[in-house]
Amino acid sequence: AAGVIQSPRHLIKEKRETATLKCYPIPRHDTVYWYQQGPGQDPQFLISFYEKMQSDKGSIPDRFSAQQFSDYHSELNMSSLELGDSALYFCASSYWTSGAAKNIQYFGAGTRLSVL
Amino acid sequence: GDSVTQMEGPVTLSEEAFLTINCTYTATGYPSLFWYVQYPGEGLQLLLKATKADDKGSNKGFEATYRKETTSFHLEKGSVQVSDSAVYFCALRWGYAGGTSYGKLTFGQGTILTVHP
Repeated sequence: AAGVIQSPRHLIKEKRETATLKCYPIPRHDTVYWYQQGPGQDPQFLISFYEKMQSDKGSIPDRFSAQQFSDYHSELNMSSLELGDSALYFCASSYWTSGAAKNIQYFGAGTRLSVL
Repeated sequence: GDSVTQMEGPVTLSEEAFLTINCTYTATGYPSLFWYVQYPGEGLQLLLKATKADDKGSNKGFEATYRKETTSFHLEKGSVQVSDSAVYFCALRWGYAGGTSYGKLTFGQGTILTVHP
């Protein structure tokens, strides 16, 4: 079965550079979530999109922006990178339907960003 | 605000031992509860879920029961295997976000499980 695809898997950047992370949801999924997982920490919610509109926002820095495109893939843009941005970034997707039990988030393998 | 607390880890067991990983939550109302597992170098995989009080989620020999009275969702397995070695995350999710999609997951701090032969 198709899964959530994230690219790139690994990314190395210098401080103050920019980075773009991409997420391709499971086909027919209409909702995308982004999470940030620092070393040894739990994933923290950044932002989500439903039908190409932002649906929720968490602790996402102003230096970060994201959007969901017409084909439902999403991109997380990160500017003025800082050392503290080094983390594993997960994308998850789900398909909205009535019933809480059916709205499950499926995660990609993540993009590991290292800021030097 | 909402939060999830997992037992402090890591947990080290011998193969075929009994596993319990405690999870409690703080929230108003009735969130959905989940256990996710993360194997080394991989993403998060849903292990099991429960969406209302007294529901029992189960998968691959793992079980957890949604206890509203104790706000808990402890993970158990009767006989662990070496292949169960991973990081386990307890998480909660509220309903709608923005009136349309279902909301974000709030995770506990994760518990590292290591199973020795």
